[in-house]
Amino acid sequence: GENVEQHPSTLSVQEGDSAVIKCTYSDSASNYFPWYKQELGKGPQLIIDIRSNVGEKKDQRIAVTLNKTAKHFSLHITETQPEDSAVYFCAATFASGGSYIPTFGRGTSLIVHP
Amino acid sequence: DSGVTQTPKHLITATGQRVTLRCSPRSGDLSVYWYQQSLDQGLQFLIQYYNGEERAKGNILERFSAQQFPDLHSELNLSSLELGDSALYFCASSRGDTQYFGPGTRLTVL
Repeated sequence: GENVEQHPSTLSVQEGDSAVIKCTYSDSASNYFPWYKQELGKGPQLIIDIRSNVGEKKDQRIAVTLNKTAKHFSLHITETQPEDSAVYFCAATFASGGSYIPTFGRGTSLIVHP
Repeated sequence: DSGVTQTPKHLITATGQRVTLRCSPRSGDLSVYWYQQSLDQGLQFLIQYYNGEERAKGNILERFSAQQFPDLHSELNLSSLELGDSALYFCASSRGDTQYFGPGTRLTVL
């Protein structure tokens, strides 16, 4: 089955700095890669996603890059703010018989210091 | 707000008991997925229903079962509860590959 590795497990930055979280996946059949932000006591919230036919996608301060050959994808947050502090999860998803089952990374706890 | 609702928010029960968690998907979404989130196992897929039918199974124990009703809401039934079942349980709904998560139910087994 799919295996997703996520690094780092904890990331501490100063407000205004950039943050980068990296994930690798094992199954080349995976073709959809969402990123979720989870705040304390809440459910994971989709913040950005990318599909395998695209190399990069940007939404304001958030960008995601995908390297299919190397099987890795990354989340980039620029100009970090204290409200960006949360746990971020990457996932790799493949379609099988109408099901889209994601395999999640173990999460990165991002701490943005004011 | 994702549009996915889950009840109850918190549940405290004893070992050996049975509980039912409820999920209402976003309007128009036919798929419901259930996940368990614990500190040691991360976010684990349990089971998926599509328009009332079971579509995929993940790491779901035999003590756990689920169903999806004609109005598309879903219930996850956990029985013969053990201490290790204490976790956050999330449902997510989707129309295609993008899943939207509910706020979760925190289950504590004492």
